[in-house]
Amino acid sequence: EPEVTQTPSHQVTQMGQEVILRCVPISNHLYFYWYRQILGQKVEFLVSFYNNEISEKSEIFDDQFSVERPDGSNFTLKIRSTKLEDSAMYFCASRVRGESYEQYFGPGTRLTVT
Amino acid sequence: DAKTTQPPSMDCAEGRAANLPCNHSTISGNEYVYWYRQIHSQGPQYIIHGLKNNETNEMASLIITEDRKSSTLILPHATLRDTAVYYCIVETSYDKVIFGPGTSLSVIP
Repeated sequence: EPEVTQTPSHQVTQMGQEVILRCVPISNHLYFYWYRQILGQKVEFLVSFYNNEISEKSEIFDDQFSVERPDGSNFTLKIRSTKLEDSAMYFCASRVRGESYEQYFGPGTRLTVT
Repeated sequence: DAKTTQPPSMDCAEGRAANLPCNHSTISGNEYVYWYRQIHSQGPQYIIHGLKNNETNEMASLIITEDRKSSTLILPHATLRDTAVYYCIVETSYDKVIFGPGTSLSVIP
């Protein structure tokens, strides 16, 4: 069964460093998403991406964040200058085009900013 | 934000049916009811969705009341691996899933 994959599973970085989190969505999916979950809190929407542009973004997704689909398979989230409060699990999700809105999530990348 | 109300926690004996309720009294006519779950530290997992009719798949059944103001997710034979937080979500937007606090289901041996 096809699934969303994410790399790395765990990323440790120092405050102020740039990080890139990578995702490979399900191959025939056209909508892509990033969510985050701070430890002990709920899953929060960050950004949605379709047709090579951002569809919607949350207040969390400020100028420090960017997304890119550099080729036909990868979808990346970049944080330019990490802060301690960026420490969280980051989940990528994707959805097939059509009437159904269900999203399929990856296993997540745990980002630890020290 | 989430337009649903769920109990914060529930217990279920292993092998028994788990019935998870959800109230969505302000649901509008074109809004679907979706259920996701999140097993500890894993990514959320889509379970099932429905509009008006009851739905069943290999994971669960979804019963929606005739007035669509509430629904019940049924796991017919709960196992320990079904221990998770279950989210009932009403949405029309394809752009995001808004997760509320959900119901923490504990399946007890």
